Amino acid sequence: DAGVIQSPRHEVTEMGQEVTLRCKPISGHNSLFWYRQTMMRGLELLIYFNNNVPIDDSGMPEDRFSAKMPNASFSTLKIQPSEPRDSAVYFCASTSRAGGPGETQYFGPGTRLLVL
Amino acid sequence: AQTVTQSQPEMSVQEAETVTLSCTYDTSENNYYLFWYKQPPSRQMILVIRQEAYKQQNATENRFSVNFQKAAKSFSLKISDSQLGDTAMYFCAFFRIQGAQKLVFGQGTRLTINP
Repeated sequence: DAGVIQSPRHEVTEMGQEVTLRCKPISGHNSLFWYRQTMMRGLELLIYFNNNVPIDDSGMPEDRFSAKMPNASFSTLKIQPSEPRDSAVYFCASTSRAGGPGETQYFGPGTRLLVL
Repeated sequence: AQTVTQSQPEMSVQEAETVTLSCTYDTSENNYYLFWYKQPPSRQMILVIRQEAYKQQNATENRFSVNFQKAAKSFSLKISDSQLGDTAMYFCAFFRIQGAQKLVFGQGTRLTINP
């Protein structure tokens, strides 16, 4: 299995630009999570989907952030407009809930975002 | 809200030694899951070990084992015969089964294995 795939791996952009991060979960997994990692706040959950439906987006910092999951094999996290404080590593993770809650989440390699 | 505390920001040991990383958590739940993840310099988050709260037996994965003390809400990770490749950030994480199902992470412990 290829694991969770994220693109791009690195992104450098200027303040005010739109940024789109992409994630392909592990085939057969039906839950997908977006996390953000910063030195100040550590790892924090932004949003998660079950069967392509957003379940909890309480971690999304503000309206500039949006996430979609149009099908079981693809999700995007968009920041528009981007700000320097959005600079972080963004992780996508997926899990199969077939075995019940608490199934292990498998993480992608992350996207390192730098907003200048 | 659940909280996870890792009281050791940094640790350093010699290769082949045994090291124990501490983790405590706060919850009123009875059923939950606990995890240890490793994040090497590549930044990839890698699962090390997992423990179900309803299981009394401590989880073990090769050189990695946990000491799960449910009453004390403690979940430490022991690494035996440490290797240079164990150098990484280690995160303890709590997963609540009821309600909002999400991982809550501790702040991490930076572990360095010296040759």
